[in-house]
Amino acid sequence: QVQLVDSGGGVVQPGTSLRLSCAASGFIFRNYAMYWVRQAPGKGLEWVAVISYDGRNEYYADFVEGRFTISRDNSKNMLFLQMNNLRVEDTGFFYCARPNYDILTGLEYWGQGTLVTVSS
Amino acid sequence: QSALTQPPSASGSPGQSVTISCTGTSGDIGGYNYVSWYQHHPGKAPKLMIYEVTRRPSGVPDRFSGSRSGNTASLTVSGLQAEDEADYYCSSYAGGNNFAVFGGGTKLTVL
Repeated sequence: QVQLVDSGGGVVQPGTSLRLSCAASGFIFRNYAMYWVRQAPGKGLEWVAVISYDGRNEYYADFVEGRFTISRDNSKNMLFLQMNNLRVEDTGFFYCARPNYDILTGLEYWGQGTLVTVSS
Repeated sequence: QSALTQPPSASGSPGQSVTISCTGTSGDIGGYNYVSWYQHHPGKAPKLMIYEVTRRPSGVPDRFSGSRSGNTASLTVSGLQAEDEADYYCSSYAGGNNFAVFGGGTKLTVL
């Protein structure tokens, strides 16, 4: 069965970096675009970034402002989110997610989330 | 401020039907057939309930249905059950490189 396991969250100070990982299994990883979605405490879901199936194309939400980089290793079935210059407002759960079939269809599979806390 | 507008709360008694609205613009909901709905129980991963406006993923009960009129999408839950109590989020493609805008979420309470 499809499984996504998020990891890499933690408590960091503003201005520092963190790298999130998502281990995928149960499907042909290299065939699917992949997303990161976050949820700040008490807030709603928010799209962060998406990467094409082959890793050639990356797209980011406006708030990222060049601070985050999404990447993937199709040989290891891994998705990553490198987050630099973290801000207090980046605090929240980060989820990796896989679309139903096409990059624009709904996100059918989600990781359990990894908590990022940015605090001084 | 969320790009899509949802009511903060909705409620219904077991067995009843409830409809949650999601209002956007012609640049998102009204312009593309990529509207999705998610159920989110706190502490768990979100679950896709509806995609492409009206389609249900395998395993989602047919009590859940999606529709759209103009720039407003709706999720209807029929035959409410206790386990339907959760937060529900709508989402839409918004054109260009804006792959997903979400609503602020609606907390559904089963009375």
